[in-house]
Amino acid sequence: DQQVKQNSPSLSVQEGRISILNCDYTNSMFDYFLWYKKYPAEGPTFLISISSIKDKNEDGRFTVFLNKSAKHLSLHIVPSQPGDSAVYFCAARSYGGSQGNLIFGKGTKLSVKP
Amino acid sequence: DAGVIQSPRHEVTEMGQEVTLRCKPISGHDYLFWYRQTMMRGLELLIYFNNNVPIDDSGMPEDRFSAKMPNASFSTLKIQPSEPRDSAVYFCASSPGPAVRFFGPGTRLTVL
Repeated sequence: DQQVKQNSPSLSVQEGRISILNCDYTNSMFDYFLWYKKYPAEGPTFLISISSIKDKNEDGRFTVFLNKSAKHLSLHIVPSQPGDSAVYFCAARSYGGSQGNLIFGKGTKLSVKP
Repeated sequence: DAGVIQSPRHEVTEMGQEVTLRCKPISGHDYLFWYRQTMMRGLELLIYFNNNVPIDDSGMPEDRFSAKMPNASFSTLKIQPSEPRDSAVYFCASSPGPAVRFFGPGTRLTVL
């Protein structure tokens, strides 16, 4: 039973346009969410995070939105660049649970075409 | 800083053999994590340490897996005996806090 779901295995976007990556979760006890980017043959790289007390967090071209009522978060990349082509994972942590235990989605492969 | 260092990067072994994966975390980080990535299950936490002490090992699949952190700059993940279903990419990660920040490049393990 997947608690964190990334329902789109892949996404293709034109350079300069917006990329929107989506993530749904089922556990209402999740209180902290993170996004990671992964290139082939490398480990994931932390991108941005958001606490459940917020609904938006921005860092340069990356913005994460959290909709707690819908149990949905999204990562917006504006403008998209070819170097953004990678697999993106969302992850969540449960309040009161093991603080180091993140539940990861299975990833969305983003392709940004020049 | 060189980041999280893992060795070996690739390991091919035969079923029944012992496998030891090694990790050097980023200096000063209090948390060290071992993750496993497979096609079926994605990224899963195996175990994590805080200040060299194992905190949560609920993800360790079975007794064949063991992890140690003898000091702040070194950790090992051992599989004995190895089985084909252990084939996966194993990531070590370290962070100054409990949320994972820095992953190593991973060790791709193939058990024949």
